[in-house]
Amino acid sequence: AQSVTQLDSQVPVFEEAPVELRCNYSSSVSVYLFWYVQYPNQGLQLLLKYLSGSTLVKGINGFEAEFNKSQTSFHLRKPSVHISDTAEYFCAVSGLLDEKLTFGTGTRLTIIP
Amino acid sequence: DTAVSQTPKYLVTQMGNDKSIKCEQNLGHDTMYWYKQDSKKFLKIMFSYNNKELIINETVPNRFSPKSPDKAHLNLHINSLELGDSAVYFCASSQGGWGQKYNEQFFGPGTRLTVL
Repeated sequence: AQSVTQLDSQVPVFEEAPVELRCNYSSSVSVYLFWYVQYPNQGLQLLLKYLSGSTLVKGINGFEAEFNKSQTSFHLRKPSVHISDTAEYFCAVSGLLDEKLTFGTGTRLTIIP
Repeated sequence: DTAVSQTPKYLVTQMGNDKSIKCEQNLGHDTMYWYKQDSKKFLKIMFSYNNKELIINETVPNRFSPKSPDKAHLNLHINSLELGDSAVYFCASSQGGWGQKYNEQFFGPGTRLTVL
């Protein structure tokens, strides 16, 4: 079984400032890792994923995340945020042969003009 | 073109009623899912179907019954609705069968269920 911890429930950031959203996971097997974004009143959209290979993965809208196996982390970063990045961000994990996604509790990113 | 669609978008009903939420995907995917997002935004899988066969059934009350008439549809029927059922329900789909290499899940827009 896997679990995901997103320690920050809310992160306020000034526009054009950098941001990091933290995600740690726990699993007894190798995993795939994901970040999803949920804009207000919408469904979830895949932002980026780590399956294998390079530990630094780039996603849509200028986001990137780095897989750190030793620290069991998959933090999401963006060098300069925009108002349009205001949304809820979910980290998720699945086993390599298990399509079931286990989500973290989400981080609400609020951009301050 | 909508990839994963759900109807209705909003559903307000009284305790004790029976209601259904419909989900359709036009992506040709083999696997479909239902997730529940509670008031604290926590997302948890409820069911998964692969080619009309139930694959995942998490600890969900048996008042919830998924039905898959074909692989493009996965409906969720809820009997005897309770206050605690109020949530946003998301449908999702992915290509390929269970246990295969990673397949991205595509989510629908959600159905907000409010039980009064």
